[in-house]
Amino acid sequence: DTEVTQTPKHLVMGMTNKKSLKCEQHMGHRAMYWYKQKAKKPPELMFVYSYEKLSINESVPSRFSPECPNSSLLNLHLHALQPEDSALYLCASSQGGGNQPQHFGDGTRLSIL
Amino acid sequence: QKEVEQNSGPLSVPEGAIASLNCTYSDRGSQSFFWYRQYSGKSPELIMSIYSNGDKEDGRFTAQLNKASQYVSLLIRDSQPSDSATYLCAVRTGFQKLVFGTGTRLLVSP
Repeated sequence: DTEVTQTPKHLVMGMTNKKSLKCEQHMGHRAMYWYKQKAKKPPELMFVYSYEKLSINESVPSRFSPECPNSSLLNLHLHALQPEDSALYLCASSQGGGNQPQHFGDGTRLSIL
Repeated sequence: QKEVEQNSGPLSVPEGAIASLNCTYSDRGSQSFFWYRQYSGKSPELIMSIYSNGDKEDGRFTAQLNKASQYVSLLIRDSQPSDSATYLCAVRTGFQKLVFGTGTRLLVSP
């Protein structure tokens, strides 16, 4: 088990559904991240929040909408996804500074029908 | 040229041997380097971080960094079957941006 908690662990949704992925950490970390990982590929950065503000958006399609309600929580809102969006979605956190290592949650495995 | 390169493997070693995993990176200004282990179907788990040239040891793991050659390596001593996994090299290329290599699959046979 990790100190970064992601829910749900698995999610199956249709292309017209709206759902949200949730991530929570209680390590006092001030930076939180969303990654997407396809099978046999490395994680790809999607978004970075630093001190609750969006600092990096890696040109992610608008059907993915991040939200950081407070320093411990990170959400990823999903709407009108495509089958190619099926992947493992990973949340990570770090103390804040660029040198600090990122710690990953267990991920949400998302399947789009 | 990819930003972070690793040999995809698989790297096969017998139990008890030393496994040597290598990584090269293209951004000469990179300052932070990390090794993650990822078991199939699981999330990446941090093994080591290294910031200065030289060696850093933690138990059976040793990370080596050579900034002049833009090269990072991970040595695993006394390899165990439970070490069989994909090892991801990650390099910080921007303030908070981490770029991962494609990973090296390690197989340790009993």
